[in-house]
Amino acid sequence: EAGVAQSPRYKIIEKRQSVAFWCNPISGHATLYWYQQILGQGPKLLIQFQNNGVVDDSQLPKDRFSAERLKGVDSTLKIQPAKLEDSAVYLCASSAPSPPNSPLHFGNGTRLTVT
Amino acid sequence: GDSVTQMEGPVTLSEEAFLTINCTYTATGYPSLFWYVQYPGEGLQLLLKATKADDKGSNKGFEATYRKETTSFHLEKGSVQVSDSAVYFCALKELRDTGRRALTFGSGTRLQVQP
Repeated sequence: EAGVAQSPRYKIIEKRQSVAFWCNPISGHATLYWYQQILGQGPKLLIQFQNNGVVDDSQLPKDRFSAERLKGVDSTLKIQPAKLEDSAVYLCASSAPSPPNSPLHFGNGTRLTVT
Repeated sequence: GDSVTQMEGPVTLSEEAFLTINCTYTATGYPSLFWYVQYPGEGLQLLLKATKADDKGSNKGFEATYRKETTSFHLEKGSVQVSDSAVYFCALKELRDTGRRALTFGSGTRLQVQP
């Protein structure tokens, strides 16, 4: 089975610029997640989608971050404007609809550097 | 809220040594527990999981037992190889009525195995 696809793999931008990341989950996986992983730390959840609806975005900095999953398949995460502290790896993951404790499958991530 | 605490790294071992990476958790219910591994330059991969108390997850010679009484899920391997050098993340997944299915990660433990 094809894994979670993410692009781009790397991105370098200046602060105050905008950036977008794309994710295509594993086919049939209704649940999609975006995580932020700062160097030396564990991944932190930004947002969880169930199909095209948001289940949890409590840790998403909504003044600058936005995410959508319009057709319930692929998803886009955007940052506008970027800050230096947004430098991190952005991970997309997906999980099967059942059982509820199904593991998450991760993409290789997008490494963002904000200068 | 949910949290995961891992022993700090790096852990440096010689090949064929015994490995233990400690992991304890805090959760309000009965979470599922996971170990993920991140090899250099690669994405997070599921290593093993356990879904209820006293379950033992195992894969590639690694084992971890879900201990509810001590809220622990320590990772062990009897004889490590250089190829096991990676960052290991302990994580929990608690099922909530809201539909939240996201993983909560520990901060990761880097393992370095020397020949």
